[in-house]
Amino acid sequence: SYVLTQPPSVSVAPGQTARITCGGNYIGSRSVHWYQQKPGQAPVLVVYDDSDRPSGIPERFSGSHSGNTATLTISRVEAGDEADYYCQVGDSSGDHTYWVFGGGTKLTVL
Amino acid sequence: QVQLVQSGAEVKRPGASVKVSCKASGYTFINYYIHWVRQAPGQGLECMGWINPRSGDTSYAQKFQGRVTMTRDTSINTAYMELSSLTSDDTAVYYCARRADYYYGMDVWGQGTTVTVSS
Repeated sequence: SYVLTQPPSVSVAPGQTARITCGGNYIGSRSVHWYQQKPGQAPVLVVYDDSDRPSGIPERFSGSHSGNTATLTISRVEAGDEADYYCQVGDSSGDHTYWVFGGGTKLTVL
Repeated sequence: QVQLVQSGAEVKRPGASVKVSCKASGYTFINYYIHWVRQAPGQGLECMGWINPRSGDTSYAQKFQGRVTMTRDTSINTAYMELSSLTSDDTAVYYCARRADYYYGMDVWGQGTTVTVSS
């Protein structure tokens, strides 16, 4: 099955830029989605299809991918951005698509 | 507004089954896949599978095949996830989420249902 690899943690000072990576075989050829999850809450979609933002998500959140790595970039980080972040892709096999999450990255705002 | 509302918390004995519901409102139920995702305490998100409410077609993660059944009732815009032969490893928060298609991600999530398996 397809495996997505994320760093367990990333730390950044307020106002700086956070970059959270997601590694996977040929991930550059897949549609990557990113979710934010705060403690005790359901996940929230922050980036879909590699780099698009749902309505209501600040422009500070952006996504990109190339080769075997996708990246979620959070510019001008705020205290409220502290959360777990998960990448996700669909892995098509036969007639069905199986969905996989990365292990998650805890973003700490110093 | 668009929302998914799940059934309440459950406590089950090992070996039992649990059935969680997910009621959709504010959108056309049959136009979006419903996914089930679980999260064990202190752990990450895990996809269990999905159902196409329009056709009833399902796809289950290999880990859960033979133990999970996803169904829907289009007359009441509700999806269900039933997990059998429960063990303590199934203690988790179970979420439903909707997805339009491959390129759109899961944009609306239920509030989560805590399932505790304990003797």
